[in-house]
Amino acid sequence: GEDVEQSLFLSVREGDSSVINCTYTDSSSTYLYWYKQEPGAGLQLLTYIFSNMDMKQDQRLTVLLNKKDKHLSLRIADTQTGDSAIYFCAESPSSGGYQKVTFGTGTKLQVIP
Amino acid sequence: GAGVSQTPSNKVTEKGKYVELRCDPISGHTALYWYRQSLGQGPEFLIYFQGTGAADDSGLPNDRFFAVRPEGSVSTLKIQRTERGDSAVYLCASRPDSAYNEQFFGPGTRLTVL
Repeated sequence: GEDVEQSLFLSVREGDSSVINCTYTDSSSTYLYWYKQEPGAGLQLLTYIFSNMDMKQDQRLTVLLNKKDKHLSLRIADTQTGDSAIYFCAESPSSGGYQKVTFGTGTKLQVIP
Repeated sequence: GAGVSQTPSNKVTEKGKYVELRCDPISGHTALYWYRQSLGQGPEFLIYFQGTGAADDSGLPNDRFFAVRPEGSVSTLKIQRTERGDSAVYLCASRPDSAYNEQFFGPGTRLTVL
């Protein structure tokens, strides 16, 4: 079945770039997502990429996909204290008519002022 | 506009009791999902509704878990004979037909089974 793995923790200084990494196992065409979860709040979709793309940029966020290695990364430029949260990588198949999303365990990002 | 709401926000119950968790999706969203998030883990898929019907319930862990969505809007997740291992945050998400890739999540219900 599908499996998504992430490192558990990342600490960066305010103003630096953060890079959060993820690996996945599903070999079929798939959508890959990054979600943000803040304490007491619901999961927020940040961005997603289809597996036939290599890169997607949205303001301070850059997603890079290495299909060969099944490796996904999220780069946050000029990291702010408000970016402190847990970031989840997730994937879903592109077929099937709906989204059964498989999430990773999450990476806790700590931003040091 | 109003997002996905879930009630109660916290539920404490005793082992063996029955609980119901409610999800109010965003108005007009036909797709609704339930997930379970254990401490330190990512959300785990439980069940998916398209309209009133459960299109995929393969994530429900056993027959103590059941969910309904009788009018295609509000959904209730029901857990019978609760066990301590059921303690988790139960998340609900809804999605409009027009946004295949975006699920909108509620804040969750934290269930604690003593």
